[in-house]
Amino acid sequence: AQSVTQLGSHVSVSEGALVLLRCNYSSSVPPYLFWYVQYPNQGLQLLLKYTSAATLVKGINGFEAEFKKSETSFHLTKPSAHMRDAAEYFCAVSRSGNTPLVFGKGTRLSVIA
Amino acid sequence: NAGVMQNPRHLVRRRGQEARLRCSPMKGHSHVYWYRQLPEEGLKFMVYLQKENIIDESGMPKERFSAEFPKEGPSILRIQQVVRGDSAAYFCASSRGGATNEKLFFGSGTQLSVL
Repeated sequence: AQSVTQLGSHVSVSEGALVLLRCNYSSSVPPYLFWYVQYPNQGLQLLLKYTSAATLVKGINGFEAEFKKSETSFHLTKPSAHMRDAAEYFCAVSRSGNTPLVFGKGTRLSVIA
Repeated sequence: NAGVMQNPRHLVRRRGQEARLRCSPMKGHSHVYWYRQLPEEGLKFMVYLQKENIIDESGMPKERFSAEFPKEGPSILRIQQVVRGDSAAYFCASSRGGATNEKLFFGSGTQLSVL
């Protein structure tokens, strides 16, 4: 069975500060890993995904994530937070092919002016 | 090219009534996934369908819940005899191929409230 754990249900950073959202996964096979963002009253949007190519994945809006097999982690980072980054962020894992995504519980990011 | 369309946006039902949630995938997409989001929880997979076929329903409750994706028309998630615990946001997602190989597009969800 696959699972993801997102450490910290709520993260608060100052505008311009580094954003670090943590995700650890559990998978018996090489995983596919994803980060999604959910703005209020909207559906999820894909930020980035890892599919066994480069371990450092760059996504939209300046976000990136690094796959570390030894740490079973896929943390999401952004060098400088903007107010518009305030949202809920979900990490997700899948085996491969058509298997459904398994989501973490989410981390709410607040950005303070 | 419209995105994934879900309706209604909000649905209020009394206990014991039926709820029907509709999802029209993006044009050209034949894979549909339904997820449920409870307060303070992540999205939980419910069911995965391709046209006229249920591929994976391992996340569906055994009773009262059913889903379909007919050859023509939207995918329907049906909840019979709703209870207060069914109150949640229900999201539909679609893709052209399998979710790990193709980008998954999500609708804005249907918020179901059971009184």
